[in-house]
Amino acid sequence: EAQVTQNPRYLITVTGKKLTVTCSQNMNHEYMSWYRQDPGLGLRQIYYSMNVEVTDKGDVPEGYKVSRKEKRNFPLILESPSPNQTSLYFCASSPGTASYNEQFFGPGTRLTVL
Amino acid sequence: AQKITQTQPGMFVQEKEAVTLDCTYDTSDPSYGLFWYKQPSSGEMIFLIYQGSYDQQNATEGRYSLNFQKARKSANLVISASQLGDSAMYFCAMREPHSGGYNKLIFGAGTRLAVHP
Repeated sequence: EAQVTQNPRYLITVTGKKLTVTCSQNMNHEYMSWYRQDPGLGLRQIYYSMNVEVTDKGDVPEGYKVSRKEKRNFPLILESPSPNQTSLYFCASSPGTASYNEQFFGPGTRLTVL
Repeated sequence: AQKITQTQPGMFVQEKEAVTLDCTYDTSDPSYGLFWYKQPSSGEMIFLIYQGSYDQQNATEGRYSLNFQKARKSANLVISASQLGDSAMYFCAMREPHSGGYNKLIFGAGTRLAVHP
């Protein structure tokens, strides 16, 4: 089944404790992206990757890191999480970035930073 | 200025009635794509419908149709014969060229739809 997977689905952590949210897609998509969703703000892009070893900042990159060592994986790293990073996070992939390319979303990771 | 505006934070509709969710967008590029996604309470993002800026006809997918008015820059989602399972958050999104050399997907704030029996 074609899908984007994320782990963990739920995470409660404390300020400053490094964490990684994994993301993997099995559709051989070149483009991958991370979003955070906050009430009243919709989804905002954190980082994106056009291909292996090619990553760039989105609209809200502060406090996050990513890597793209393999085409299928695009982990999101929070080196020192803070309470303002409590949010719902989505990983997404698409075959390209043409105007008609749909993005396929993972199930989401609900993160709480205490 | 906001690129995607959804002016209705919440909407109510009676089961079996039609409902229109509003979306206006702002772009100066002639080539763009418009998407609607549904997010049920379980949290996942479900793709509903797509409209290309050059498409002559309004997109339809089952009970979903997109009322595309290019001159007004609006892309309203119409759900016919609402069902209880349509209760969810709905996001309008636009793909347009970005300075980073790719077409970026930008989301509106969403509209929460509640379908009443």
